[in-house]
Amino acid sequence: GQQVMQIPQYQHVQEGEDFTTYCNSSTTLSNIQWYKQRPGGHPVFLIQLVKSGEVKKQKRLTFQFGEAKKNSSLHITATQTTDVGTYFCAGGNDMRFGAGTRLTVKP
Amino acid sequence: GAVVSQHPSRVICKSGTSVKIECRSLDFQATTMFWYRQFPKKSLMLMATSNEGSKATYEQGVEKDKFLINHASLTLSTLTVTSAHPEDSSFYICSARRPGAKNIQYFGAGTRLSVL
Repeated sequence: GQQVMQIPQYQHVQEGEDFTTYCNSSTTLSNIQWYKQRPGGHPVFLIQLVKSGEVKKQKRLTFQFGEAKKNSSLHITATQTTDVGTYFCAGGNDMRFGAGTRLTVKP
Repeated sequence: GAVVSQHPSRVICKSGTSVKIECRSLDFQATTMFWYRQFPKKSLMLMATSNEGSKATYEQGVEKDKFLINHASLTLSTLTVTSAHPEDSSFYICSARRPGAKNIQYFGAGTRLSVL
């Protein structure tokens, strides 16, 4: 089945710095979902993007779906220690996840 | 929001024993549930898709006889790790999709299995 590739695998930032993770697919996706998993926790749904070029914001988080619907990004502005965790994307009807990007934030 | 309950949260067992993990959708009916396995600091690996009233669909490389899945009702799926061995130690997570919510998955809290 289709699978999304996610980069970077790890990201360590200083608190206050921005952070971006990218999700790429070789095929067109009908939609894409983003999830966050805190250390020791389970994945929690953040958002779903459906439309080409769609941009959605949740406070300091900005989610974008590419025009070709093959890539997506999650950008966090001015990271906080509460942003620590692993961010996963999942595309279309596939229940397979990207490798995830593990974010650590230094206070 | 939708709630998926998973039990137990943690289990420690001796090698050779079988362990059953339950996954329940508490406020919606789930004809399909999903079972994942996650190693430390790694991604979620889809093991199988649990289908209510029919056989589960296993991913390539996942042993059907090792990981028994039963989806007897619209709100319950179980994963049984048979004759567990230390290499089966892992974090097992289930998820379900709420009808009408398209591909959004709601996850259980996970079960941490340690086989001694």
